[in-house]
Amino acid sequence: GEDVEQSLFLSVREGDSSVINCTYTDSSSTYLYWYKQEPGAGLQLLTYIFSNMDMKQDQRLTVLLNKKDKHLSLRIADTQTGDSAIYFCAPRSYQKVTFGTGTKLQVIP
Amino acid sequence: SQTIHQWPATLVQPVGSPLSLECTVEGTSNPNLYWYRQAAGRGLQLLFYSVGIGQISSEVPQNLSASRPQDRQFILSSKKLLLSDSGFYLCAWSVAITGELFFGEGSRLTVL
Repeated sequence: GEDVEQSLFLSVREGDSSVINCTYTDSSSTYLYWYKQEPGAGLQLLTYIFSNMDMKQDQRLTVLLNKKDKHLSLRIADTQTGDSAIYFCAPRSYQKVTFGTGTKLQVIP
Repeated sequence: SQTIHQWPATLVQPVGSPLSLECTVEGTSNPNLYWYRQAAGRGLQLLFYSVGIGQISSEVPQNLSASRPQDRQFILSSKKLLLSDSGFYLCAWSVAITGELFFGEGSRLTVL
């Protein structure tokens, strides 16, 4: 099955950029999602990228995909305190969506 | 618009008791439905998914089961809960070509 790995924790200062990295193993992954989870809440879709794309930008969010290395990253520009949450990388292969362990982003004012 | 309802939101159950968590989706038809569990370590573990009525795929062998009696209803059950079943259970659906998941608010289960 798919293995998805993320670093567990990231701390940045308000206004800086955050980069959250993810590696996955299943080369048949077609869509790769980023989800955000705030404390005690469900998951909210942030953005996604199709596997034939290298980059996708959506306002403050930039997703980079290196399909050869099976590496995905999420960059948040001008990080705000409201961005503090857990971020999950989730590649999709057919009907299955596998989630990483999540990266807890702490934004220091 | 589509909505997903999941209940109960919080549940405290003794070891050995049964479990039933229910999830319904409104505003769409023939969705793919999913149950995930999020334990204290934060990662989400896929438990079951269903592509249609009566079609259940199990990802992790355990004392839980799932059923889909209607197109937009997905039920997670157990006959006898274990302490290790404690966690945050999330139901999700997808239908679009891009297949992104939309999650319910979750059910927090504590087994004592």
